[in-house]
Amino acid sequence: AQTVTQSQPEMSVQEAETVTLSCTYDTSESDYYLFWYKQPPSRQMILVIRQEAYKQQNATENRFSVNFQKAAKSFSLKISDSQLGDAAMYFCAYRYQGAQKLVFGQGTRLTINP
Amino acid sequence: GAVVSQHPSRVICKSGTSVKIECRSLDFQATTMFWYRQFPKKSLMLMATSNEGSKATYEQGVEKDKFLINHASLTLSTLTVTSAHPEDSSFYICSARSDRGSIYSNQPQHFGDGTRLSIL
Repeated sequence: AQTVTQSQPEMSVQEAETVTLSCTYDTSESDYYLFWYKQPPSRQMILVIRQEAYKQQNATENRFSVNFQKAAKSFSLKISDSQLGDAAMYFCAYRYQGAQKLVFGQGTRLTINP
Repeated sequence: GAVVSQHPSRVICKSGTSVKIECRSLDFQATTMFWYRQFPKKSLMLMATSNEGSKATYEQGVEKDKFLINHASLTLSTLTVTSAHPEDSSFYICSARSDRGSIYSNQPQHFGDGTRLSIL
């Protein structure tokens, strides 16, 4: 069975600094997708960034980038120049090719200190 | 693009009442919709997956007769909590995804805003 683990229940960072959220997963599949979702206090789940496992290049979306290490089954999220609006719960998620449902990690609560 | 609307955002009702929650994909055809339940400070727990025109597939431990799911069209799915009790109080979230065409095979799920259900 596939599992996703986020080992940091809470993280905090000073505004304008960089923070990295960790995510590891376990799978025997070779083709899959990885996602980071953000859930702010408003509770809506927002897609932050996604990575296809067959791509070696790490995905980047503005201030958000990932460090995808396929052999290590690691998928960390780096947030640069942290802003107050980045404060939220962050969930790492996995879906293998051909599957419909996502497997979510436990989440990491990110606090931004002004 | 890829907007999912969930309604209502909050429901407060008496024990024994049945409550219907709607999930609509506004600008794409959702071949698959998902219903999640989220407890405070916890991750999302998948309740069921529904494909348009067919019966929903429920996760283990989810009561089919308690949580009725209908996915009658490519833009609408409903979750009905029947004879709701206080233990059904929770945050319910829907999401939608399109599998139309090979270019959509890597499409992510798009989430609604969620519904806070409180049973008195």
